[in-house]
Amino acid sequence: SSELTQDPAVSVALGQTVRIKCQGDSLRSYYASWIQEKPGQAPVCVFYGKNNRPSGIPVRFSGSSSGNTASLTITGAQAEDEADYYCSSRDSSGTLVVFGGGTRLTVL
Amino acid sequence: QVQLQQWGAGLLKPSETLSLTCAVYGGSFSGFYWTWIRQPPGKGLEWVGEVNPGGSTNYNPSLKSRVTVSVDTSKNQFSLRLTSVTAADTAVYYCARARMGGYDYGSLDVWGQGTAVTVSS
Repeated sequence: SSELTQDPAVSVALGQTVRIKCQGDSLRSYYASWIQEKPGQAPVCVFYGKNNRPSGIPVRFSGSSSGNTASLTITGAQAEDEADYYCSSRDSSGTLVVFGGGTRLTVL
Repeated sequence: QVQLQQWGAGLLKPSETLSLTCAVYGGSFSGFYWTWIRQPPGKGLEWVGEVNPGGSTNYNPSLKSRVTVSVDTSKNQFSLRLTSVTAADTAVYYCARARMGGYDYGSLDVWGQGTAVTVSS
């Protein structure tokens, strides 16, 4: 079982804003990274750490954290953002890595 | 732009040893954990283990008795070895880079293309 908890599915209307959440005790100590996975493609990191967007990732992707909850916000969701999103962080000991169970985002 | 390129055998029989290698191109090899992650068919991501350039490792406790992650700094490569595989080890295996310091600690920011591994008799 995952030590990080995510909603299994979220939907958003095209062009609207959506927030995908991730909860876990380890997030009180470590920032999350957010991984986008599309069918048949390798995962891609879309946001990580306190405030980092990898090169080539659109600015509509942003992250935030408060207490035991990390959030990925997509401002103005596009059809191509439809994907599975996973959060990840170190575990509470800092030794291991844990993943959330993933959130399937549907863009309507 | 850092790129990870991975390779290895894609079809194994039960009890055989899985062996994959990942090469790092276009960036520093030091200052990061080099990581293996897998995804069974239809399931989520599972962390397998990691190594730093000094050779220090961390492993998923559920796999620790069978897994070895090693590094070859002369080639900017790292490898995964998983012994005594079963059908439960069937998955797409990814290599990835994990950041080591500060607020970004543990962030998986660069991923390889994945290798599909099937264990079947």
